[in-house]
Amino acid sequence: LAKTTQPISMDSYEGQEVNITCSHNNIATNDYITWYQQFPSQGPRFIIQGYKTKVTNEVASLFIPADRKSSTLSLPRVSLSDTAVYYCLVGDDFGNEKLTFGTGTRLTIIP
Amino acid sequence: GAGVSQSPRYKVAKRGQDVALRCDPISGHVSLFWYQQALGQGPEFLTYFQNEAQLDKSGLPSDRFFAERPEGSVSTLKIQRTQQEDSAVYLCASSLVFGAATDTQYFGPGTRLTVL
Repeated sequence: LAKTTQPISMDSYEGQEVNITCSHNNIATNDYITWYQQFPSQGPRFIIQGYKTKVTNEVASLFIPADRKSSTLSLPRVSLSDTAVYYCLVGDDFGNEKLTFGTGTRLTIIP
Repeated sequence: GAGVSQSPRYKVAKRGQDVALRCDPISGHVSLFWYQQALGQGPEFLTYFQNEAQLDKSGLPSDRFFAERPEGSVSTLKIQRTQQEDSAVYLCASSLVFGAATDTQYFGPGTRLTVL
């Protein structure tokens, strides 16, 4: 499974756009990129998933460059409730059912 | 229920005691996963069920850990002779179809186990 590297922590002010970049230099052709969010005392929650280019949903956008060696999760106009740990994961559909989490990025939103 | 539920939410055990942690997945979900999360770390995979079959138990740290899902719905994670290093949050997740990277896993709130 491809290893991911992301910043340990980030701070941002309310109302700003936050971008969290994840590095996955040895991503395989069949791998997808998935982001999960975890609030204190809760289990992780799926945010967004993509394979290439750009994916957008009601919560976030995911930007993936052509070489797919990195990806950027973009959270528009963050609020205090976006304070959480964000995990970047890569994996494929071929027998790799388990999710492999790193240590994630602890995002703190400042009022 | 609407989501994955786990019980108890908190468990305190004395070293050497046996514990049983319960997971109720989303109704109809085929796949069920157990993860262990130490303080300040990301969740780590323990074991995976597809219906009642335990297809992967490569993450179980020792033979003191045992999981079952006898009827393909509710699952129990049992830890025998608990040790202090077993203290962690145990997360259960389920997904609709056969486990795959593109299949969203829905997590429960976890059980926080503290071994004294």
